[in-house]
Amino acid sequence: DAMVIQNPRYQVTQFGKPVTLSCSQTLNHNVMYWYQQKSSQAPKLLFHYYDKDFNNEADTPDNFQSRRPNTSFCFLDIRSPGLGDAAMYLCATSSRGLSGRFNEQYFGPGTRLTVT
Amino acid sequence: KQEVTQIPAALSVPEGENLVLNCSFTDSAIYNLQWFRQDPGKGLTSLLLIQSSQREQTSGRLNASLDKSSGRSTLYIAASQPGDSATYLCAVKELTGGGNKLTFGTGTQLKVEL
Repeated sequence: DAMVIQNPRYQVTQFGKPVTLSCSQTLNHNVMYWYQQKSSQAPKLLFHYYDKDFNNEADTPDNFQSRRPNTSFCFLDIRSPGLGDAAMYLCATSSRGLSGRFNEQYFGPGTRLTVT
Repeated sequence: KQEVTQIPAALSVPEGENLVLNCSFTDSAIYNLQWFRQDPGKGLTSLLLIQSSQREQTSGRLNASLDKSSGRSTLYIAASQPGDSATYLCAVKELTGGGNKLTFGTGTQLKVEL
């Protein structure tokens, strides 16, 4: 089945130690997104890639970076995690048609990040 | 700035009841509205997507309505079951910014009891 895969599902890192979360997709979608969801809060968009074009949300901290080496994979890098970065990180994908319209987003199962 | 509100924040009902979850948004210039289900510690599962030109969508026991002019959507769940227990999130896709950004509500946590 076509799907969005996130690894690992649970990640523990130490305060200040860089960490990378991974997302892959078999949907061949040209758009990939990263959301942060803190406990009991709404998911918040951090950034998205349209093909290789990176689009950062204005209020995303510089501590968060992303890489998309190819269509299938997208990585979220947190350079110096703080206690406040503990959250569920959700990856999503969508297609964008020739008309420019962005279609429905499909979400992965998420990676829960704990910072100790 | 678009704001999405969901009421109630939590809801507990006995099995078999019909129920309505509410979602409101402040800016009616939306592309579509989507309802998601989220189980504890898990990702989001899309339930229904309503385009801005549509009034409702149905899937099995679920029916979602959209009144764009008043900035409201409802999710109706018929004959609720314990397996429906989860958090339900609504999200709007805005027309501005390329029509790509989803703005989520904080969700309604539903518990269906035996």
